[in-house]
Amino acid sequence: AQSVTQPDIHITVSEGASLELRCNYSYGATPYLFWYVQSPGQGLQLLLKYFSGDTLVQGIKGFEAEFKRSQSSFNLRKPSVHWSDAAEYFCAVGGAGGGADGLTFGKGTHLIIQP
Amino acid sequence: DVKVTQSSRYLVKRTGEKVFLECVQDMDHENMFWYRQDPGLGLRLIYFSYDVKMKEKGDIPEGYSVSREKKERFSLILESASTNQTSMYLCASRRRQVNNEQFFGPGTRLTVL
Repeated sequence: AQSVTQPDIHITVSEGASLELRCNYSYGATPYLFWYVQSPGQGLQLLLKYFSGDTLVQGIKGFEAEFKRSQSSFNLRKPSVHWSDAAEYFCAVGGAGGGADGLTFGKGTHLIIQP
Repeated sequence: DVKVTQSSRYLVKRTGEKVFLECVQDMDHENMFWYRQDPGLGLRLIYFSYDVKMKEKGDIPEGYSVSREKKERFSLILESASTNQTSMYLCASRRRQVNNEQFFGPGTRLTVL
């Protein structure tokens, strides 16, 4: 069965500092990987996605993520965080989307930005 | 841009009431999903629909049913609401056979008293 682990429930970072959010997945075939962000009271917005090709993917709002097959990881990074980045971040894994497989989400990491 | 809308942002109902949550997408997507989101548990899939009149149970279907009579609309029904169904409900859609990328609505926060 597929699964996603986000080991950090909460992370606190100072504004302007770098950020890395961890994501480990378990999936039996080639995974499709996603990072979503959820601001308070809002739905989920896609930050970036990985399907194939270059293992370093760029997303919106200055985020990037690196797919490491050997470590079953897809960590999200940002070189310098802004106060507006405070939100809940979800990593998700799925297959090609052609059939019954949906997405499996991690439990989320709550990002707090210190001034 | 894909747009997924949900009929209510906030809803308060009483125990035992029948509750309808509506979701509409405007991009002709075949697949639609209902999730519930609870603190510390992330998103859990309740039901999904391949296409009109087709549905499949997700991970936590108990106490819920769904209806998909038109392609753009997917309804979640709580036949007899209970307090443990107080949660945030998120609807999503995706185009079949394409990348599994799901597009989410803004969510409905349901409180059952």
